[in-house]
Amino acid sequence: AQKITQTQPGMFVQEKEAVTLDCTYDTSDPSYGLFWYKQPSSGEMIFLIYQGSYDQQNATEGRYSLNFQKARKSANLVISASQLGDSAMYFCAIAGNQGGKLIFGQGTELSVKP
Amino acid sequence: ETGVTQTPRHLVMGMTNKKSLKCEQHLGHNAMYWYKQSAKKPLELMFVYNFKEQTENNSVPSRFSPECPNSSHLFLHLHTLQPEDSALYLCASSQEGSGVIYEQYFGPGTRLTVT
Repeated sequence: AQKITQTQPGMFVQEKEAVTLDCTYDTSDPSYGLFWYKQPSSGEMIFLIYQGSYDQQNATEGRYSLNFQKARKSANLVISASQLGDSAMYFCAIAGNQGGKLIFGQGTELSVKP
Repeated sequence: ETGVTQTPRHLVMGMTNKKSLKCEQHLGHNAMYWYKQSAKKPLELMFVYNFKEQTENNSVPSRFSPECPNSSHLFLHLHTLQPEDSALYLCASSQEGSGVIYEQYFGPGTRLTVT
């Protein structure tokens, strides 16, 4: 079984500062993928970034980077230079290599202050 | 149209009604998914279709009936729903391959209210 834990229900960050959203996971699959999605109030889930379990380097995508610590089973999302439009729910998710089922965490609500 | 589209965006229905949710993907993917998102809960996977074949039914009540006529279209037929079925229903698609993990792309969702 796979599980995602996001321990921060809500976070605040000042505009232009960096913020880290925590995610820990549990899985028995030797190969897996970790994902972060953004969900604005409109409801759509927007794919942000992906990290494969065998990737040697941390994934980066523009202002998003993933701090992957395999031994600690953590996959934190770092957003640099926060913008007001970053205010949204952020979900961490995991998938094994058996059919692409995504298991989501509870989410973290990020609020960016001007 | 690009990406994943869903219609309707909002739906209010009575418990005795029958309605259908539609999802269409324009990404050339071969797998499609239905998720349910209730307030204050994480997304719950409902159904998975891979090459039009259902490969996952996550213990969903029979009042939800999926249909996948081809790799681009996915329906969720609803009948005799309960108020607790009120939620955001999200459709997603991805490319599936043996041993390879791909990201899923989501539609905007249908916000369903059962009265």
